[in-house]
Amino acid sequence: QLQLQESGPGLVKPSETLSLTCTVSGGFINRSSYFWAWIRQSPGKGLEWIGSIYYRGSTYYNTSLKSRVVISVDTSKNQFSLKVNSMTVADTAVYYCARQGGGSGWPPQPDYWGQGSLVTVSS
Amino acid sequence: QSALTQPRSVSGSPGQSVTISCTGTSSDVGAYNYVSWYQQDPGKAPQLIIYDVNNRPSGVPDRFSGSKSGNTASLTISGLQADDEADYYCCSYADNYAYVFGTGTKVTVL
Repeated sequence: QLQLQESGPGLVKPSETLSLTCTVSGGFINRSSYFWAWIRQSPGKGLEWIGSIYYRGSTYYNTSLKSRVVISVDTSKNQFSLKVNSMTVADTAVYYCARQGGGSGWPPQPDYWGQGSLVTVSS
Repeated sequence: QSALTQPRSVSGSPGQSVTISCTGTSSDVGAYNYVSWYQQDPGKAPQLIIYDVNNRPSGVPDRFSGSKSGNTASLTISGLQADDEADYYCCSYADNYAYVFGTGTKVTVL
């Protein structure tokens, strides 16, 4: 059974950079059928697709966050990571990592999700 | 990539049917049959219940069905049950390898 697990700090100061890692188990990240995504949910709000990466390293970002976000992959560790710079209070959210492997489209639709990691931005 | 528009809440009695709309544009929902729906219980991660507009993953009851007309997708829950009470989100491919989510709908079972 595929599992995804986010890890990283729960508290970040304003203007600092957030770094999160997603560890994938029960499957391999270097499969050609999948993309790997980060999605966030602000408290009491909806979901926001942040971006995704293909195992070969191609990245795709939400245009509204593109200038502050970097997603990378480490196939040797079966992990992918998210960095968001210049964090503000508005970036406080639960950050989910997810596999995009569902449906017939390309890229696939998100199907498996991690449990989420709450990141609070506060001084 | 503006969020897709969903009603804030819908409600129904056990056994009834409810339908949640998801309105986008001709650049996302209207352009592609890559609409998915997710059920989210409080404090939990979303779970995929519909993909490709109207397909259910294994294990999802056939009480959940999806459809699309023009720029609007819909999720119908038939035979509403108490444990269907949750938040529901639509998601659509939005070109340039990007996805966009809906604003979310809270389903209440009366």
